[in-house]
Amino acid sequence: DAGVTQSPTHLIKTRGQQVTLRCSPKSGHDTVSWYQQALGQGPQFIFQYYEEEERQRGNFPDRFSGHQFPNYSSELNVNALLLGDSALYLCASRRTGSGGYTFGSGTRLTVV
Amino acid sequence: EDKVVQSPLSLVVHEGDTVTLNCSYEVTNFRSLLWYKQEKKAPTFLFMLTSSGIEKKSGRLSSILDKKELFSILNITATQTGDSAIYLCAVSYNTDKLIFGTGTRLQVFP
Repeated sequence: DAGVTQSPTHLIKTRGQQVTLRCSPKSGHDTVSWYQQALGQGPQFIFQYYEEEERQRGNFPDRFSGHQFPNYSSELNVNALLLGDSALYLCASRRTGSGGYTFGSGTRLTVV
Repeated sequence: EDKVVQSPLSLVVHEGDTVTLNCSYEVTNFRSLLWYKQEKKAPTFLFMLTSSGIEKKSGRLSSILDKKELFSILNITATQTGDSAIYLCAVSYNTDKLIFGTGTRLQVFP
């Protein structure tokens, strides 16, 4: 049973570029959340998707957007990249109504 | 403002020692408190606590929640080098998102 799968594992982008990160949730899970983890910090909530809609959003600018597909997989898009966007981006999934989230291994984004 | 504070930020011990990690929180409409272990990238789930005073155990790890004083502790007995990791505390509330603390970095030396 595959857990949460994220791609790519590493990515280097230039300031001003756009990036798309992908997440496949654990089998049976329908809710996907995205987190940003800067070096030395805990993960910060970006947004959550359920039934293909954004249900909640954290304190992130509109440059951060996302999408959920009918198969529950999800994408995180970041436009006009800034140096400060360099971080580990974690995807977490769960089955609605159940307990804790399962996290993927993340995508390490470096903006130069 | 909702917040989760973990202490200590860093801990260095020798194998066999017992450690206690602390997590305090200020969150409205608390639902549950979760502990995760993060070794390289993916945080792995340890415990979810919803009720005060009920200890959860898994091998050498145990955790308890105090909803009156708004804190939780994670105990690790007979530490091993494989316990070296960042331990994250997170709180969920009625909006379902998780608010994480900064984490405690534990290093266990032989």
